Amino acid sequence: EVQLLESGGGLVQPGGSLRLSCAASGFTFSSYVMSWVRQAPGKGLEWVSSISGSGSTSYYADSVKGRFTISRDNSKNTLSLQVNSLRADDTAVYYCAKDDSSSVAFCDYWGQGTLVTVSS
Amino acid sequence: DIQMTQSPSTLSASVGDRVTITCRASQSISSWVAWYQQKPGKAPKLLIYKASSLESGVPSRFSGSGSGTEFTLTISSLQPDDFATYYCQQYNDFSPTFGQGTKVEIK
Repeated sequence: EVQLLESGGGLVQPGGSLRLSCAASGFTFSSYVMSWVRQAPGKGLEWVSSISGSGSTSYYADSVKGRFTISRDNSKNTLSLQVNSLRADDTAVYYCAKDDSSSVAFCDYWGQGTLVTVSS
Repeated sequence: DIQMTQSPSTLSASVGDRVTITCRASQSISSWVAWYQQKPGKAPKLLIYKASSLESGVPSRFSGSGSGTEFTLTISSLQPDDFATYYCQQYNDFSPTFGQGTKVEIK
């Protein structure tokens, strides 16, 4: 059974940083692109970032480029998102998701999400 | 970026109704579209991929169609469990984008 479990969210001041993590199990982690998708309170879904199975290639939404860094540790089946220079509009539930293939695609499994609140 | 324009934003329907949600892409994306269902406080759930392929375990009352720039999600006979918000997503390039969502409410 595929399981994705996010952690690391919390309350942070504007300009601050957090590191989000996602523990994956139930599939061959290194074979799949992994993604982060976020959802601001009461709003729709926004793709944030994706990373190739090997970790050698990453992709970012323009809204987070230069501030967020996606990474993965295939030896520990863990996906991470380092979020820096946080702004109020980064407040959202951040979902870890498994893409269906070895290329950026649709997400067939999602975690339960971790809430990041940016506020002073 | 490819924009996905979803309509309507809200839809009021009754159990047993046939429901159709539309998504238009700002440029041709072949059949690279997925549809998700999301209930309050829950993660999205994949329903349809590659425009018309039904995800395993999803009831057959859900169907998808379209190619190019226009896509539809149809629920043939709305059930009480189907009241939720639905999103389309394009994955034609390395910058996936979602539609704004359609909330299906009880009439």
